[in-house]
Amino acid sequence: QKEVEQNSGPLSVPEGAIASLNCTYSDRGSQSFFWYRQYSGKSPELIMFIYSNGDKEDGRFTAQLNKASQYVSLLIRDSQPSDSATYLCAVADAGGTSYGKLTFGQGTILTVHP
Amino acid sequence: GAVVSQHPSRVICKSGTSVKIECRSLDFQATTMFWYRQFPKQSLMLMATSNEGSKATYEQGVEKDKFLINHASLTLSTLTVTSAHPEDSSFYICSASGSAQPQHFGDGTRLSIL
Repeated sequence: QKEVEQNSGPLSVPEGAIASLNCTYSDRGSQSFFWYRQYSGKSPELIMFIYSNGDKEDGRFTAQLNKASQYVSLLIRDSQPSDSATYLCAVADAGGTSYGKLTFGQGTILTVHP
Repeated sequence: GAVVSQHPSRVICKSGTSVKIECRSLDFQATTMFWYRQFPKQSLMLMATSNEGSKATYEQGVEKDKFLINHASLTLSTLTVTSAHPEDSSFYICSASGSAQPQHFGDGTRLSIL
């Protein structure tokens, strides 16, 4: 059974701080990892994907991957109240394509307070 | 970014009615489309995966005769909820992926069966 684990939170950070969201996965062969943001009542929106060990930066977002530890994280710098949402970690099935079936974590609720 | 359109956004209908939901990829060829269901405060639940021109693959516990999926072209998939009942009320979300596109989600359809 493939598993993707996230701390459900809520994670509360002050405006301007760094929010750190963490995710672990069980399938050691997994190669592709995704972070989605979901506002309440809306559908998920892709914000980052990462395939290689290390860091990948896009604006205020940095995804970090450590395949040896089966750990992927998302850092949000200069957090804004508009970043308040549920963040979903998703892992593509090992052996599948990067664009195939995903296993989602339960999501971490992030609240950024002014 | 990639655009996935889902229609209608909201449906309210009587018990016993069949409801069709459309999912279109507007700017890329979607070789695979996915259908999810999400209940309030719960994570996404994958219902089925469809590849263009092939029969859909349903997840365990999802009734294929109740949730009919058609993926006749590289830009369109439909989900028909047949003879819907109040317990089918939920937020249905499609996503699409292609050879160079990870999964992007439509805006979702909120289905309410009276």
